[in-house]
Amino acid sequence: KNQVEQSPQSLIILEGKNCTLQCNYTVSPFSNLRWYKQDTGRGPVSLTIMTFSENTKSNGRYTATLDADTKQSSLHITASQLSDSASYICVVSPYSSASKIIFGSGTRLSIRP
Amino acid sequence: DAGVIQSPRHEVTEMGQEVTLRCKPISGHDYLFWYRQTMMRGLELLIYFNNNVPIDDSGMPEDRFSAKMPNASFSTLKIQPSEPRDSAVYFCASSFRLAGSTDTQYFGPGTRLTVL
Repeated sequence: KNQVEQSPQSLIILEGKNCTLQCNYTVSPFSNLRWYKQDTGRGPVSLTIMTFSENTKSNGRYTATLDADTKQSSLHITASQLSDSASYICVVSPYSSASKIIFGSGTRLSIRP
Repeated sequence: DAGVIQSPRHEVTEMGQEVTLRCKPISGHDYLFWYRQTMMRGLELLIYFNNNVPIDDSGMPEDRFSAKMPNASFSTLKIQPSEPRDSAVYFCASSFRLAGSTDTQYFGPGTRLTVL
């Protein structure tokens, strides 16, 4: 069964610190892996998109990595800011069907001043 | 562009009533998606359209749910009759190409539905 699992479920860090969120998936073969940021009460916003052949993708202070062999991805946030407080969702799209995209349950990140 | 527009932002209704959610995608996008998000199940794809045509509705939970896209700038998701377990946030998203490509999906702000 295709699954996407994220860890930790929630995380609290101090402003200015770095953090890394994890995403493990069993989807195979897959087309691409995305990280979304979802602020409370708003829709998800795309941070990064990686195909199976890409190892890393950056978007400002956000850097996503992908290891297709171990089926793991991580999202690293550098020098966190209060505005980084949000849920971060990992999404994997299989080749088989666009309608079978699989969402992780998300990591709830809280940045404390 | 104003982004994906959804209305209403909040809807409270009683069990058994009909509910209609509306979405205006970003102009020029060929694909439109309807999602549902709950605490228990997270985000789920309900249905998606390509050029106004429904392509896959396998995510629609029951016959009580229906979606239409009469033109490129408007789509509706209807629940009739509504039930308390339909309470969730419903998102509409649009993109130039399929979710399987590397095109970005742009999400609307969502409609928070509460069925009493």
